[in-house]
Amino acid sequence: NAGVMQNPRHLVRRRGQEARLRCSPMKGHSHVYWYRQLPEEGLKFMVYLQKENIIDESGMPKERFSAEFPKEGPSILRIQQVVRGDSAAYFCASSLWDLKETQYFGPGTRLLVL
Amino acid sequence: AQKVTQAQTEISVVEKEDVTLDCVYETRDTTYYLFWYKQPPSGELVFLIRRNSFDEQNEISGRYSWNFQKSTSSFNFTITASQVVDSAVYFCALSDLTGNQFYFGTGTSLTVIP
Repeated sequence: NAGVMQNPRHLVRRRGQEARLRCSPMKGHSHVYWYRQLPEEGLKFMVYLQKENIIDESGMPKERFSAEFPKEGPSILRIQQVVRGDSAAYFCASSLWDLKETQYFGPGTRLLVL
Repeated sequence: AQKVTQAQTEISVVEKEDVTLDCVYETRDTTYYLFWYKQPPSGELVFLIRRNSFDEQNEISGRYSWNFQKSTSSFNFTITASQVVDSAVYFCALSDLTGNQFYFGTGTSLTVIP
């Protein structure tokens, strides 16, 4: 059973460009969570999605950030007009419906904004 | 408010020593889950344990053991006879029973010196 997959593992963008981070949950998992880990800090919750629904986006910055989890395909975290402060590791996690307390994490995408 | 505190930022031990990583939490919930995750240098997050607040029994898994003390709101993690492969950042986390959001500590960086 493949774990949570994230791609790309590393992403370099210039200021003002768009960043798209992808997350494929574990097989059978219907819940996806995105977290951001800034340098020297712990993980901060961003958003929680089920298929075609955003359940909780209280941790998402109000502007430039969006997330989706379509019926088919991976979950996408999109950052528009990136700034240097967006440089971080972005982790995706997934869980089963009835075990959603246990989240399994992907390897993360390291975003560097030049 | 929900909060997890890992007061130890960095710890260094010599191989084969025992080491305890501290975790103190705050929550307004009467029932909740506590977790430990390991983040090795490769960057991914590895699930180690989930503990329900109903269950205060200590748990041992090989060289790992966890001491849950509800009275002091602590969930400490001990590695016995540490090994170089234990070098990683360890995160303690808290969630309510919905599992919709996790609250992570800032992590403790453990270095095991050969």
